Amino acid sequence: GENVEQHPSTLSVQEGDSAVIKCTYSDSASNYFPWYKQELGKRPQLIIDIRSNVGEKKDQRIAVTLNKTAKHFSLHITETQPEDSAVYFCAARGRDNYGQNFVFGPGTRLSVLP
Amino acid sequence: GAGVSQSPSNKVTEKGKDVELRCDPISGHTALYWYRQSLGQGLEFLIYFQGNSAPDKSGLPSDRFSAERTGGSVSTLTIQRTQQEDSAVYLCASSWTPSNQPQHFGDGTRLSIL
Repeated sequence: GENVEQHPSTLSVQEGDSAVIKCTYSDSASNYFPWYKQELGKRPQLIIDIRSNVGEKKDQRIAVTLNKTAKHFSLHITETQPEDSAVYFCAARGRDNYGQNFVFGPGTRLSVLP
Repeated sequence: GAGVSQSPSNKVTEKGKDVELRCDPISGHTALYWYRQSLGQGLEFLIYFQGNSAPDKSGLPSDRFSAERTGGSVSTLTIQRTQQEDSAVYLCASSWTPSNQPQHFGDGTRLSIL
């Protein structure tokens, strides 16, 4: 089955700096890669996603890149702000076959220091 | 409603009691997932329902845990003879069938076993 690794587990940056979180996946059939942000005590919320036919996607200060050959994808946050502080989860979703096909990484705790 | 609804939002019970947690997915979503999240930890997959197919129960931690989904909509997660280690937030998510669609999470049920 699919296995997703995520690094780093914790990340501290100064306000205004960039933050990068990297994930790797094992199943070459995976074709959908969302990123979720979870603030303390709240539900995980989708912030950006990328499908396997695209190499990069950007939404304001957030971008995601995908390298299918190397089986890794990354989240880039520019001009970080204190409200970006949260836990970020990457995920990989494979073929819609029987069985659990949506695998999350272990999370990255991002702290943006004012 | 517009989102995934979970009830109760909080549940406190004594060790050894049974509990039922409810999830009402977004209308039309055929896939439904249950996760467990302990304090400061990641998302632990429990069970996955896809349409009328047999559920993937591979994540259930013991036979005290069970879940059902009636009529392809509402799901109930049942924990029998609760133990203190069952204390966690239980999150439900739903999604459309195609494999390149995101999960949408509910607010979770915070379960505390005394």
